[in-house]
Amino acid sequence: AQSVAQPEDQVNVAEGNPLTVKCTYSVSGNPYLFWYVQYPNRGLQFLLKYITGDNLVKGSYGFEAEFNKSQTSFHLKKPSALVSDSALYFCAVPQGSARQLTFGSGTQLTVLP
Amino acid sequence: GAVVSQHPSWVICKSGTSVKIECRSLDFQATTMFWYRQFPKQSLMLMATSNEGSKATYEQGVEKDKFLINHASLTLSTLTVTSAHPEDSSFYICSARDHGQGTTEAFFGQGTRLTVV
Repeated sequence: AQSVAQPEDQVNVAEGNPLTVKCTYSVSGNPYLFWYVQYPNRGLQFLLKYITGDNLVKGSYGFEAEFNKSQTSFHLKKPSALVSDSALYFCAVPQGSARQLTFGSGTQLTVLP
Repeated sequence: GAVVSQHPSWVICKSGTSVKIECRSLDFQATTMFWYRQFPKQSLMLMATSNEGSKATYEQGVEKDKFLINHASLTLSTLTVTSAHPEDSSFYICSARDHGQGTTEAFFGQGTRLTVV
């Protein structure tokens, strides 16, 4: 089965500093990887995805993610964090014939003013 | 991106009653929709895969008679929580994928906060 892991439950970063939210994957075959963000009492918003091609993927709201095959990682990054980036972040991988998403445990990002 | 609308956003019901949650794809057709459940500060757990025109596929441990899913059209799936109990209180989220474009990202509804009292 395909899976992703988010080793950090909580990440705190000061506003203006770069942020990284970590994700590692265990996938057979070519990995398709996703990042989503969830604000309180809301559904998930798609940020970016890796399908193939460039290892650095750019997404919404200034976020990007780096696919690293040797480290089986797909870390989410942003050069300069905003307080409004504070939210719950999930990496995910599709699996099964219906391509249903399996999510990591989530990382709560808090950007401190 | 594509829009998925979920209704209601929140609902409070009495124990023993049933609650229906709707999930609509507004600008695309979805042969498959997904229903998730999320407990506070936890990840999303897939409950079932809703298939247009056929029976839903339930994940292990999810009671199909309690969580009734109907996917009668390419733009609407409903989840009915039957005979609700306080332990059914949770955040329910649906998602759908645009089958026409062959894209792989899923789009999510805004979620439904169910409280059973």
